[in-house]
Amino acid sequence: KAGVTQTPRYLIKTRGQQVTLSCSPISGHRSVSWYQQTPGQGLQFLFEYFSETQRNKGNFPGRFSGRQFSNSRSEMNVSTLELGDSALYLCASSLALGVNYGYTFGSGTRLTVV
Amino acid sequence: AQTVTQSQPEMSVQEAETVTLSCTYDTSESDYYLFWYKQPPSRQMILVIRQEAYKQQNATENRFSVNFQKAAKSFSLKISDSQLGDAAMYFCAYRSAGWGGSQGNLIFGKGTKLSVKP
Repeated sequence: KAGVTQTPRYLIKTRGQQVTLSCSPISGHRSVSWYQQTPGQGLQFLFEYFSETQRNKGNFPGRFSGRQFSNSRSEMNVSTLELGDSALYLCASSLALGVNYGYTFGSGTRLTVV
Repeated sequence: AQTVTQSQPEMSVQEAETVTLSCTYDTSESDYYLFWYKQPPSRQMILVIRQEAYKQQNATENRFSVNFQKAAKSFSLKISDSQLGDAAMYFCAYRSAGWGGSQGNLIFGKGTKLSVKP
């Protein structure tokens, strides 16, 4: 079966712009989580969605937002981009909430802010 | 807050040899899960092995095994018979057994880059 699909794979944006990243989970998976990976801060949790509702949120400014659609696909949006937002953004899907359901990660979107 | 520390930024191993990657964590919780993830150049995080804190027996998955020392808050990964395909970044991660609020997400260490020499 198809894995977690993230689009686009690479993205270059200018400081001040906004960006939307997409994540399609494995078919049947209802939970989607987002992580930011940078060389300096490592992997940091952004948010988790389940049944179109945000269930958990990391310590990021309000410029970072997300949503989940009825088909479980998720998007995350970053407004007013800053140079420090350059990172690999990883999406992970899970059958449901709870640690008994393992995460499957996508290959990420590499965002470069210039 | 929980933290995960990987003290070895880089490690190297000869093909067919054994290597151990270190991980320590800090938590006040008694029920949690620990993971090792592998991230090859393809960028996708791949689950290598997982350990439930309430289980005393160390988890094993083929050539991969862990040494889980709950009292010492240590969770090392041993890779036996190393193969060229094992070369990657390895991340240790913690997750509370509960979910909701700040409990449900994975907390990662900074990673260890493993090189495998032919």
